[in-house]
Amino acid sequence: SQTIHQWPATLVQPVGSPLSLECTVEGTSNPNLYWYRQAAGRGLQLLFYSVGIGQISSEVPQNLSASRPQDRQFILSSKKLLLSDSGFYLCAWTGGGGGEQFFGPGTRLTVL
Amino acid sequence: QKEVEQNSGPLSVPEGAIASLNCTYSDRGSQSFFWYRQYSGKSPELIMFIYSNGDKEDGRFTAQLNKASQYVSLLIRDSQPSDSATYLCAVVNYGQNFVFGPGTRLSVLP
Repeated sequence: SQTIHQWPATLVQPVGSPLSLECTVEGTSNPNLYWYRQAAGRGLQLLFYSVGIGQISSEVPQNLSASRPQDRQFILSSKKLLLSDSGFYLCAWTGGGGGEQFFGPGTRLTVL
Repeated sequence: QKEVEQNSGPLSVPEGAIASLNCTYSDRGSQSFFWYRQYSGKSPELIMFIYSNGDKEDGRFTAQLNKASQYVSLLIRDSQPSDSATYLCAVVNYGQNFVFGPGTRLSVLP
């Protein structure tokens, strides 16, 4: 069966520091991968999606970037974090016969 | 701008009652509709999806879709305190990305 991993689970970073969040998927090949952010008490905001290695589409202009160095690995990065980057970061992949999205456990980021 | 709207709640129902969660969407070309449950501090988990007009049942859950009215709902029968969570509606047009609603917070009172 397919599983999706994210790490770290929680992260506290100072403003202006760099960021690297990692997501890996097991049990499937060539998945569509997504990064979402969920601010406290808010809905899901799509940040990036990828349909293959090296293929990244950005939904929202910001100080974040994404990369997909391997088929089942998706990385979210920033060179300098802002206070507004705080939130719950979720990685997801699309699978199943109905095009369903499945989410990883998430990374809770607090920028101080 | 494609939008998905949900009442933020909280929706409070007594244990054993039917909880009714509603969602409206703006993109008339939407084809797939998903309901997710999100417990506080956790990631969303898929409950069920629906494509065709009408009802689809899965255990205590029933999804209802009316494309003409651009409306999808989720009914939870025999609500339990463990159903207390935020319920997210998601809508997809073919070949495009998911659009999520802001979620409805459900509280099932013992």
